[in-house]
Amino acid sequence: QVQLQESGPGLVKPSETLSLTCTVSGDSINTYFWNWIRQPPGEGLEWIGHIYYSGSTNYNPSLKSRVTISVDTSKNQISLKLNSVTAADTALYYCARGGKGSASPLDYWGQGTLVTVSS
Amino acid sequence: QSALTQPASVSGSPGQSITISCTGTSSDVGAYNYVSWYQQHPDKAPKLLIYEVSFRPSGVSDRFSGSKSGNTASLTISGLQAEDEADYYCISYTTSSTKVFGTGTKVTVL
Repeated sequence: QVQLQESGPGLVKPSETLSLTCTVSGDSINTYFWNWIRQPPGEGLEWIGHIYYSGSTNYNPSLKSRVTISVDTSKNQISLKLNSVTAADTALYYCARGGKGSASPLDYWGQGTLVTVSS
Repeated sequence: QSALTQPASVSGSPGQSITISCTGTSSDVGAYNYVSWYQQHPDKAPKLLIYEVSFRPSGVSDRFSGSKSGNTASLTISGLQAEDEADYYCISYTTSSTKVFGTGTKVTVL
């Protein structure tokens, strides 16, 4: 069974960089797309971006200038970096597996990790 | 890209059918048959219900069905049950090779 686990600091100061890691177990990250999604408290889902195991990425245009998603196939991990954060970036951050195509549905999700942006 | 438009809330009595719409543009919903639907219960991760407009993953009840016409996709829940009370989100692939979620719909079982 594929399992995804997000990890990282739960508190980030304004203007700093948010850094999260998604560790995948039960399958290799090779041949799939891997997505980051976030959900502010009490609000809806927002797609942040995805990466193919080869390193090819696509990002939400509204976040593109601040986001970097990377992959470490040797560790079976996907990483998210979001710089210059503000309170508006406070959210539950999920990683999710897409399929073998960029349009594939998100079939496995982590439980999410809450990140609060506050001084 | 703008979020796809969903009704904020839909309600129905047990046993009834309800339909949730998801309206986008010719650059997302209308461009491809790559619309998925997710169910999210409180404090839980979203669960895939429908993919590629109308296909159900293994294990998903056949009470859930999807369709699309033009720039609007729809999710229908038949034989509404108490356990269907949750938030529902659509998501579409776009012509820019990105993805965009819907605004979300809260389903209430009366």
